[in-house]
Amino acid sequence: KQEVTQIPAALSVPEGENLVLNCSFTDSAIYNLQWFRQDPGKGLTSLLLIQSSQREQTSGRLNASLDKSSGRSTLYIAASQPGDSATYLCAVKGTYKYIFGTGTRLKVLA
Amino acid sequence: AAGVIQSPRHLIKEKRETATLKCYPIPRHDTVYWYQQGPGQDPQFLISFYEKMQSDKGSIPDRFSAQQFSDYHSELNMSSLELGDSALYFCASSLQLSEAFFGQGTRLTVV
Repeated sequence: KQEVTQIPAALSVPEGENLVLNCSFTDSAIYNLQWFRQDPGKGLTSLLLIQSSQREQTSGRLNASLDKSSGRSTLYIAASQPGDSATYLCAVKGTYKYIFGTGTRLKVLA
Repeated sequence: AAGVIQSPRHLIKEKRETATLKCYPIPRHDTVYWYQQGPGQDPQFLISFYEKMQSDKGSIPDRFSAQQFSDYHSELNMSSLELGDSALYFCASSLQLSEAFFGQGTRLTVV
């Protein structure tokens, strides 16, 4: 059974810092991995998708990497801003479902 | 660009009542997923459909059922509602192995 864990569970940083969010999964037989952002009580916004054959993806200040063999992905956020404050979720795709991680609650202080 | 549409956005029901949640996937997407997210929890997989056929099932109570119709929209039916069913319910759609897009969710409150 696939289990997805995210570390840290919560993070508070001053504005401008670069930071790394970690995601680990137990079964490497995945099709892809997606990172999402969720604001309180809101929907899930897709940030980056990494296919199982890819090593990394970049979008603006975000960079996500994937090491399928070791069951790890990282989301790197450069020059953090208060508007980045949210919960970040990784999700791994099996055949017909996504399994979500436990999330990292990020707070960027102005 | 069209997104995943869910309705209603908010729903208040009494215990033991029935609720129906609707999802309209992005056009030409072949897979629909349903998730339940309780307060402070990560989304939990309920059920998915590929080309209108049930493709996978998670921890979905027997009181819940879902289907996907010929026009590809999907409905989640929830009967004998309990207080613990209060949650955000998300629908998502994707095309094969491409990016999954989530709707804004339906907030169900059972009183």
